[in-house]
Amino acid sequence: GIQVEQSPPDLILQEGANSTLRCNFSDSVNNLQWFHQNPWGQLINLFYIPSGTKQNGRLSATTVATERYSLLYISSSQTTDSGVYFCAVGNDMRFGAGTRLTVKP
Amino acid sequence: GAVVSQHPSWVICKSGTSVKIECRSLDFQATTMFWYRQFPKQSLMLMATSNEGSKATYEQGVEKDKFLINHASLTLSTLTVTSAHPEDSSFYICSARGPAYEQYFGPGTRLTVT
Repeated sequence: GIQVEQSPPDLILQEGANSTLRCNFSDSVNNLQWFHQNPWGQLINLFYIPSGTKQNGRLSATTVATERYSLLYISSSQTTDSGVYFCAVGNDMRFGAGTRLTVKP
Repeated sequence: GAVVSQHPSWVICKSGTSVKIECRSLDFQATTMFWYRQFPKQSLMLMATSNEGSKATYEQGVEKDKFLINHASLTLSTLTVTSAHPEDSSFYICSARGPAYEQYFGPGTRLTVT
């Protein structure tokens, strides 16, 4: 099956800083999504982005399908951005291990 | 946006009993739904893929006789944990594939087996 690797595993930022989260995958895919899991466990859809670039407010994502990676950018981070960020790829949505983000005030 | 609900949101049961978890797509039809489990501070692990009207496809290592999945309609899939044991305690999350191929996740069900 597809292998999904996310980096870094943990990230601590000061409020206002920018960050880049990475998702590498082992095979070509036609489906990739980024999620934020809140403290109650709910997965929030951030982007459906099998290729190209999308932006939504302070968040943006880029997937380079030919090179098998995707990046999630968070600008001007806020404490409410804290949580775990997952990418999931493929028809059956295999999840990476996640990046645990902590934004300090 | 598309909404997926799960019921119950949490459940406590005694060892040896069975528990049923429902997953519903509220405003779209989902031919494919997925069931995941998540242990504390870990990622989501795919348990099975269910397609409406057919048998579920289970991931390697997932006991199909223990985790019964039924996708009886285009808006409802159920997961029944049979003869539950404490090691089945986990966070169970379902998702449904929307018309544009995007996945939408339910809020999860926290199962505790005593």
